[in-house]
Amino acid sequence: SQQGEEDPQALSIQEGENATMNCSYKTSINNLQWYRQNSGRGLVHLILIRSNEREKHSGRLRVTLDTSKKSSSLLITASRAADTASYFCATDRGSTLGRLYFGRGTQLTVWP
Amino acid sequence: EAGVAQSPRYKIIEKRQSVAFWCNPISGHATLYWYQQILGQGPKLLIQFQNNGVVDDSQLPKDRFSAERLKGVDSTLKIQPAKLEDSAVYLCASSRQTSNEKLFFGSGTQLSVL
Repeated sequence: SQQGEEDPQALSIQEGENATMNCSYKTSINNLQWYRQNSGRGLVHLILIRSNEREKHSGRLRVTLDTSKKSSSLLITASRAADTASYFCATDRGSTLGRLYFGRGTQLTVWP
Repeated sequence: EAGVAQSPRYKIIEKRQSVAFWCNPISGHATLYWYQQILGQGPKLLIQFQNNGVVDDSQLPKDRFSAERLKGVDSTLKIQPAKLEDSAVYLCASSRQTSNEKLFFGSGTQLSVL
């Protein structure tokens, strides 16, 4: 079964705007990861946030984690047309064996 | 470094036929995963290998799916016989070890079962 539930399912914005995607999960976790998938391609890792962290930045990406609410958000600032892709959150469900469980994803479209 | 290699890129078969997918992980990566991604959904874990041993195959439909990683490097995933609902993208991923770190994905094999 899917672990994360991304919200919204689809997001359409103009270049230069910020894009915010949310993820909720159901079990305890060691870390939460965000991945990006361009159409017809594999997934690419964006950022990992550990359960004892609340916020993490990487370039134009900002990820927050609220373990009390079992939720995370991914913010992409100053979006570009090249950011058009599907974005997935993934958790380990508390396992230390490395496997990840993915949500259904958010389809982001950035219009030039 | 070279990424995760998968082949073929696309495969079209008829139901009840068999099919095999191949994956070559990043050199030195001990852990290998096969995921199934149905259109519009996130990837679903099928099987996890650590070197040439199976760590988790609880989600693998063993009546028709099989996977092996004989020498702890390359891996093959087989479906026999295929069903219509097996139409999906099959993604291979690898990581250095079984710990909570990022996964590196291949581009996947898109399977269409007619």
